[in-house]
Amino acid sequence: EAGVAQSPRYKIIEKRQSVAFWCNPISGHATLYWYQQILGQGPKLLIQFQNNGVVDDSQLPKDRFSAERLKGVDSTLKIQPAKLEDSAVYLCASSLGRGGLSTDTQYFGPGTRLTVL
Amino acid sequence: QKEVEQNSGPLSVPEGAIASLNCTYSDRGSQSFFWYRQYSGKSPELIMSIYSNGDKEDGRFTAQLNKASQYVSLLIRDSQPSDSATYLCAASNNNDMRFGAGTRLTVKP
Repeated sequence: EAGVAQSPRYKIIEKRQSVAFWCNPISGHATLYWYQQILGQGPKLLIQFQNNGVVDDSQLPKDRFSAERLKGVDSTLKIQPAKLEDSAVYLCASSLGRGGLSTDTQYFGPGTRLTVL
Repeated sequence: QKEVEQNSGPLSVPEGAIASLNCTYSDRGSQSFFWYRQYSGKSPELIMSIYSNGDKEDGRFTAQLNKASQYVSLLIRDSQPSDSATYLCAASNNNDMRFGAGTRLTVKP
């Protein structure tokens, strides 16, 4: 079974530029998550989708970050414009999310390392 | 504020010893608990999940959960240098997952 796919793996941009990340979850996983992990910290949830609906985006800086999951499968996360403090690894994860404790298990993609200069 | 707290370490143990990693959480509604291992520059990898009070063993790993004390731990027996990594504790309430900052473990040969 293929894991969570993400691209690109690395991205370097200058502040005020825009950037977009792509995620393809594990087949059949209804729930998709985007996390931001700053060096030395644990992952911080940015947004959670259940199919193509947003479940939680309370920690998403909506003035500059946006995300969508139009067909309930792939998702994109965009930052516009980027700031220096956005330098981090952006992790995508997915879970079955169809009820039951075991479906909480999240599987992570390889992440995208963003450097904002 | 839903918090998951871990000792950041670093925790250093000799090869063959038992490594003990601890975690506390603040959200009493949390139902699922996870330990992830994260090697430097890599994404988190699931090691253990635990849902009920008590111990759960899987090979060299034992997870312990005490919901009354809001406490989760991970024991690694016969620690190996390849266990050297950051261990992330996570607590989930209806798929709302919160991570601790992680404990860095070093196993010395």
